[in-house]
Amino acid sequence: DSGVTQTPKHLITATGQRVTLRCSPRSGDLSVYWYQQSLDQGLQFLIQYYNGEERAKGNILERFSAQQFPDLHSELNLSSLELGDSALYFCASSGPGGLAGPNAYNEQFFGPGTRLTVL
Amino acid sequence: DQQVKQNSPSLSVQEGRISILNCDYTNSMFDYFLWYKKYPAEGPTFLISISSIKDKNEDGRFTVFLNKSAKHLSLHIVPSQPGDSAVYFCAASADTSWGKLQFGAGTQVVVTP
Repeated sequence: DSGVTQTPKHLITATGQRVTLRCSPRSGDLSVYWYQQSLDQGLQFLIQYYNGEERAKGNILERFSAQQFPDLHSELNLSSLELGDSALYFCASSGPGGLAGPNAYNEQFFGPGTRLTVL
Repeated sequence: DQQVKQNSPSLSVQEGRISILNCDYTNSMFDYFLWYKKYPAEGPTFLISISSIKDKNEDGRFTVFLNKSAKHLSLHIVPSQPGDSAVYFCAASADTSWGKLQFGAGTQVVVTP
């Protein structure tokens, strides 16, 4: 158990709909990351938040957005869903704080993922 | 643009033998490399990492080798055990990226008795 929780575990929805995925980081971790894993693909970095603020962005579509709340949990919002958005979405957390340097953020702890199916 | 590549989608190895997983990268700014292991229906789990100032890091049965000039790293598992059957992802990070990991597509390892 990594200490990172994600809900829901599975989500089935229709094209054009909007969904929200939720993530709670490990206790004490300030950074939250979202990744997408499509079929037979590696994990694609979407976005990172650090202590409530957006820190880095990857190839995240404009239809997708995220936020990190004061209690450090994060939500990933996916709207106008398309068939191609069907994937596993992982949340990860890391970060003992900024003093440890950039590489301290690399050893990320992943949640079990949310499997999104768009029909 | 795939900056981290794992060219072998699968690897089958006998229990007790060595598993060697390979990973190539193209971005010379990468300075930290990690291997993650993933079982079905679970998230990836951190396995071992190496900084670009080293060429080898060992942790029990797992050793990662880094060849910066060739932009290549490998993970050795000795001896391989049935519980090692999983998908292994190589990941890389640049110093300025603050945790923005670039992952390879993964290698499925099957350890047979």
